[in-house]
Amino acid sequence: DAGVIQSPRHEVTEMGQEVTLRCKPISGHNSLFWYRQTMMRGLELLIYFNNNVPIDDSGMPEDRFSAKMPNASFSTLKIQPSEPRDSAVYFCASSSGLAGVYEQFFGPGTRLTVL
Amino acid sequence: KNQVEQSPQSLIILEGKNCTLQCNYTVSPFSNLRWYKQDTGRGPVSLTIMTFSENTKSNGRYTATLDADTKQSSLHITASQLSDSASYICVVSEEQAGTALIFGKGTTLSVSS
Repeated sequence: DAGVIQSPRHEVTEMGQEVTLRCKPISGHNSLFWYRQTMMRGLELLIYFNNNVPIDDSGMPEDRFSAKMPNASFSTLKIQPSEPRDSAVYFCASSSGLAGVYEQFFGPGTRLTVL
Repeated sequence: KNQVEQSPQSLIILEGKNCTLQCNYTVSPFSNLRWYKQDTGRGPVSLTIMTFSENTKSNGRYTATLDADTKQSSLHITASQLSDSASYICVVSEEQAGTALIFGKGTTLSVSS
């Protein structure tokens, strides 16, 4: 099993540009999570999908952030327009069930730098 | 407010020594508590998951304990190795249904030779 796959691994962009992060969950998992990690705030849940449907997006910072899951094997997190304060490591994770019960498997992360 | 507090923030120990990391939480109702290990530049990896009825759980040289009455957990690392150098994150689940995972900010452990 290849685990959770994220791309790109590193992204450097200028303020105002659109950024799209991609995630392929583990095959057979029906829950997918997007997290953001910074030194100041640690890991924060942004959004959670179950069976491709957004269940909890209360962690999405603002309207500049959007996430989609068009099918069970692919999800995107888009930031438009990007700002320097969006610089962080973004993780995607997947699990075989509910977030509070089942183990989550994390991808390697995408390190985003907004200049 | 549901919170997870970890201590110490950072720790340096010599290879071969034991150490204990602490996690205090105020999450209620409580479902389970997890410890993750995060190596530099990588995603977190689960070490243990404990429900409120479990007092201890081991994973190799890692042993987690849980006291649901005092809302405290600890992660004990035995005979530390250089590869144990990482950030250790405590995560508490608020309820079984839903997404209420409360993350601590982690303890950074450095093991030196």
